[in-house]
Amino acid sequence: KNQVEQSPQSLIILEGKNCTLQCNYTVSPFSNLRWYKQDTGRGPVSLTIMTFSENTKSNGRYTATLDADTKQSSLHITASQLSDSASYICVVSAGKRGGGNKLTFGTGTQLKVEL
Amino acid sequence: EPEVTQTPSHQVTQMGQEVILRCVPISNHLYFYWYRQILGQKVEFLVSFYNNEISEKSEIFDDQFSVERPDGSNFTLKIRSTKLEDSAMYFCASSRQGVAGNTIYFGEGSWLTVV
Repeated sequence: KNQVEQSPQSLIILEGKNCTLQCNYTVSPFSNLRWYKQDTGRGPVSLTIMTFSENTKSNGRYTATLDADTKQSSLHITASQLSDSASYICVVSAGKRGGGNKLTFGTGTQLKVEL
Repeated sequence: EPEVTQTPSHQVTQMGQEVILRCVPISNHLYFYWYRQILGQKVEFLVSFYNNEISEKSEIFDDQFSVERPDGSNFTLKIRSTKLEDSAMYFCASSRQGVAGNTIYFGEGSWLTVV
């Protein structure tokens, strides 16, 4: 069964600081991994997408890494802003043989950025 | 930027009633999805739809659920006889191509409360 685990569950940092969120997944066969940002009560917004051949992808202050061998990914946020406060969700999809048209979501890391 | 729009944003219904949630996917997208998120839990896949038929569905998507693309722009989710446990945020999503490597765009959600 496809599973996505994230850590930490929640995180509080000061504005301007960096942070790194972790994701471990069990998906077979692996197709791609995404990071989404979800504000409370809103729809998820895509940050990055990586296929198995990519090991890093940046989107502004967000940098995602992927190690397909160890089935781990991280999301690094630099120079955090108050507006970064949200849930960051690791999402994985399997290849066609593994249910290719659906995304498997992690439970998310709830990030709070404070002054 | 084009977006997925959903109506209603919030609906309260009595147990046993039928509910229809409506979505307008991004206009040149070909793949459509419904996901749901029970309060405090992770986002879960319900169904994917392509070429006027269901391409994949989860075990959650039982006989009380149905989807339809009644015209060229709308995509609907019908719940025939709602139960208390159907209370959740329902997200519609769409993509230009299939899940593999393509950005999936989510709407802002329809919050369903069953009483």
